[in-house]
Order: sequence, then structure tokens, then C-alpha cells
Amino acid sequence: DGGITQSPKYLFRKEGQNVTLSCEQNLNHDAMYWYRQDPGQGLRLIYYSQIVNDFQKGDIAEGYSVSREKKESFPLTVTSAQKNPTAFYLCASSILTMGGANVLTFGAGSRLTVL
Amino acid sequence: AQSVTQLDSQVPVFEEAPVELRCNYSSSVSVYLFWYVQYPNQGLQLLLKYLSGSTLVKGINGFEAEFNKSQTSFHLRKPSVHISDTAEYFCAVSEWDTGFQKLVFGTGTRLLVSP
Repeated sequence: DGGITQSPKYLFRKEGQNVTLSCEQNLNHDAMYWYRQDPGQGLRLIYYSQIVNDFQKGDIAEGYSVSREKKESFPLTVTSAQKNPTAFYLCASSILTMGGANVLTFGAGSRLTVL
Repeated sequence: AQSVTQLDSQVPVFEEAPVELRCNYSSSVSVYLFWYVQYPNQGLQLLLKYLSGSTLVKGINGFEAEFNKSQTSFHLRKPSVHISDTAEYFCAVSEWDTGFQKLVFGTGTRLLVSP
């Protein structure tokens, strides 16, 4: 079955450490996204990518970095510059439509806790 | 920029009772609208979407939503809820940013169904 795989599901990090969250999709979707979810704040867009080797900052990109070397993969690195990294991180993907709606498919999420 | 308001952070309801989860968005220009559901520690699953056409949209699990352009609303309804509907529900609206379509999410409504 096609879908999005995020790993690890749970991750603990010490302050000052970088950590990378994996996101892999086999849906042949062009676009991929990273969202951050905090209680009572909904989902906020961190980064998105429309094609390989290209990506754009979302609303809360500071302290994060991404790469898009393959169509299937869009890893997110949470750097030590991110002041409050404890959150639930969601990866999503979609086809790109001209003038139509980009319907997002989500992975199961990764919960990062900074100790 | 678009914004989405979900006024009710939590909605308690008894099993088999009807429920309405409210969603209002900020712009009256043409938009695409979505409702997603999230079960604990999982990703988001698409419930239904409004792209065009009939203002009453039917989704999975017996949910439906009505698009009201004049009131910029997209309320979600179910005539009879089940215990298994207990989850968090997110309303989202499309937004165009430098030629790319993104989703803006509300802060979510937690539906609590009790026997």
C-alpha cells in the first residue's frame, strides 16, 4: 500500500543536539511538507518542497533545515538553534495540480522531546 | 493571508446525539476547504473536502459539511455520533503563496463522545 513513513515515532534529545526526522513516501507525489503541531495551536508549516532540490520556508522555519535530494524523501533536521523543539512533527505529501486543490496525505508523525 | 477559526476547542456530546463543529475562514475569495480528523498520536486523515459545486459535501464515517460563502463558514456535522468518533478535528483552507498552494489549519476541536 502507498503511504508516508515517518521515523522515528518517538525521539528524545538533549539540549544543544541536532536531530533528523525521516519522511519517505511511495505515492509518487511531487510536493512534500513538514508541519509542527503543538497543543491548542493547530498545525504550522515549517518547510515545503515542490520538486527535487528545491524547497521553501514556511511560517516557522527558524531553527530547522531540510533537503530534497530524492522525490521520495524529505528529511527534517531540528537544529540546536530551535528554541522550543518539543512538539509533534507531521510530514505530508500531495500531487501538484494546476489550478486545482493540493490534497495532503499525512504520515503518522514523530514526537520529539527535549530533555 | 488566510486564517481559520475553530471557536470550540472542545465539544462534549453523548453517543447517538448530533454534533456540529464550527469553522470560519477569513477570506471570501475562491478557496478550497477541508476537514481532517486526528486520532491520538496519529497523523491526520482527510474527512471531506469542498472544491466546487454543491455546497453540501459528504465525507467518510457519516460526516458532512456545508460551505456557506456569505458567512465564510464550513461547519462539520454528523447526525448521530459514536464513541469511535472521539478525536481531534481540524478545519483547513487553501492559500496561494507565490504560485504555490498551501493549507492553513485551524487550532482544532476535540470531540469527546461519552456513553
